[in-house]
This record gives sequence, C-alpha cells and structure tokens, in this order.
Amino acid sequence: KNEVEQSPQNLTAQEGEFITINCSYSVGISALHWLQQHPGGGIVSLFMLSSGKKKHGRLIATINIQEKHSSLHITASHPRDSAVYICAVRTGTASKLTFGTGTRLQVTL
Amino acid sequence: GEEVAQTPKHLVRGEGQKAKLYCAPIKGHSYVFWYQQVLKNEFKFLISFQNENVFDETGMPKERFSAKCLPNSPCSLEIQATKLEDSAVYFCASSQGGTGQAFFGQGTRLTVV
Repeated sequence: KNEVEQSPQNLTAQEGEFITINCSYSVGISALHWLQQHPGGGIVSLFMLSSGKKKHGRLIATINIQEKHSSLHITASHPRDSAVYICAVRTGTASKLTFGTGTRLQVTL
Repeated sequence: GEEVAQTPKHLVRGEGQKAKLYCAPIKGHSYVFWYQQVLKNEFKFLISFQNENVFDETGMPKERFSAKCLPNSPCSLEIQATKLEDSAVYFCASSQGGTGQAFFGQGTRLTVV
C-alpha cells in the first residue's frame, strides 16, 4: 500500500463543474503539497499546507491532520485546468517529498 | 533567478555514455532536491542538498549516479555509463529553508537508446 493515495485516478468533467480530488496518507507529516503537471511535463506548485485551508483563485485546498486527508477543489472548472494533479507529503523538516500517483483531470467544453 | 532552471530540456544518450544534467535553484533557496519520474506518475527521490552539502542521499544508486552543488555554479546530476532503465524525466526542486514550499524546474527528459 502506498503511503500517499489519491482518488480518483482519472476524472472527466464538463466546463463549469465543481471538482474534488482527494488525498489520503498513512504517515505523520510536516506539510502536504498539491502540484499540477501539464501535458508538457512541467510541474507547478499550487499549495503547501500544514493545517486548515488555503485558497488561490478558483482553487481551494483543505487538510484534516487528524484524519490524514486533504482535498483539492476546483470551482467553475475550465479546459485549461486539464492536467495531472499530484499530492505529495513531507514527513520532516527538509525531508524529501513522497508523491501520490496523481489524478488525471480532463475538462471538456 | 525567479524560477528553477534546468538544462538541457532533452538529452539523448547511447547506452554506456555519460549524461550530465544541470539545475539552477531559485536565488536564496538553500535546499535542492533531485527526483526521477518514470512511467507517468512515479516519482523517485534521488538526493537533496543544503547549500553545497549533501543532506540526504538515500535514493541515489551509488554505482553510477553522482551529484554536486558547488558555490556559484548550477547543481549537477551525473550518470556514468547510462542504462536503458535510466530513461526518465529528472526534476530538480528548490525550497527556501527546510520547511518552505518546493518549486520545481521544467525537468530534463533523458532518453537512453
């Protein structure tokens, strides 16, 4: 069993839909990252969370430390949101990231 | 700079040849991490640096892989005698301090033929 699990693996949505991607982890963490990887391959850092909730534009990330669970929400989805979204956790100060297997999102018109 | 700069974007090497990848972290970031992405979404940690010192090298295949971060130079990851299984995208990330957000470069796609 992976230390970081994401669901769903694949997600297709219509433009305008509200999207939720889930991440569960089994280890103690110091921080959780949400990353976006576009088909071209580059990785963009969306959020780093250690508690609570963060919002940036149409993206919202939440984390529940007790339940070892985080969600990434996209409001009013758009085709340009199509990408792979990856959850990654850090277990200690300056430690490496452990990655989930990603959620491939396709938003259609 | 304001972004993590990785060069080259693409690298093709024959089996047995050497490959050298470079990473310039964001100015002021003291931690550098190297990851290998194989298949689509499997990331493997290779090595991390705190300034020019190796911080964690538990992921490095010791025999053929080496890495350095020297002052006033881009960090480098070198693979001696490449094998087909080394074909992957290699990402570098930097962070400001040990608890900062990680920022990734665009990656170097290494193809070993």
